[in-house]
Amino acid sequence: SQQGEEDPQALSIQEGENATMNCSYKTSINNLQWYRQNSGRGLVHLILIRSNEREKHSGRLRVTLDTSKKSSSLLITASRAADTASYFCATDAQTSGNTPLVFGKGTRLSVIA
Amino acid sequence: DAMVIQNPRYQVTQFGKPVTLSCSQTLNHNVMYWYQQKSSQAPKLLFHYYDKDFNNEADTPDNFQSRRPNTSFCFLDIRSPGLGDAAMYLCATSSWQGWDNEQFFGPGTRLTVL
Repeated sequence: SQQGEEDPQALSIQEGENATMNCSYKTSINNLQWYRQNSGRGLVHLILIRSNEREKHSGRLRVTLDTSKKSSSLLITASRAADTASYFCATDAQTSGNTPLVFGKGTRLSVIA
Repeated sequence: DAMVIQNPRYQVTQFGKPVTLSCSQTLNHNVMYWYQQKSSQAPKLLFHYYDKDFNNEADTPDNFQSRRPNTSFCFLDIRSPGLGDAAMYLCATSSWQGWDNEQFFGPGTRLTVL
């Protein structure tokens, strides 16, 4: 299975601290994406990093990708209570055609005010 | 605003009673997906449409069917819901042009089976 695996499964931090979540996957990819899901809602796309990129920033988000280790990390800086959500990484297999994303199991982040 | 809409947001059905969930999009995306997500689990892809081409995941039960009558609409039919089918059902869309296949999700339909 190509499914990404996030760790930790759950993370609890104080507001203002940084939160780091990791994702590992098994096969070569075209890109890796991170999504956020608030409780009982749909997923929201946060950031996409291509296989030829090593780092990407978007606001308080920083994503790194190490294709040699087949891993990625998502860093949320200066966390806020509103960042409380589940975070999923998703990958697509590097093939000649388009393939659907496969989602990891997610990290549940709790930011305590 | 362009978006993905799912109706209803909450659906209650009885064991064995067919149910249809609907999804519509104003993004004009050529790909539509249906996912099943159970509590504290990853979304699990059931099937997707690339334009009119239907792609079923190998482990999707026959109990689940889908229809896409046009670009904007996609339906999920559960022919005989069992207790194990209680879950959140997520619809998503993407525009498969090149390698950046960002997906846009609807808010989901929470299905309860009594």
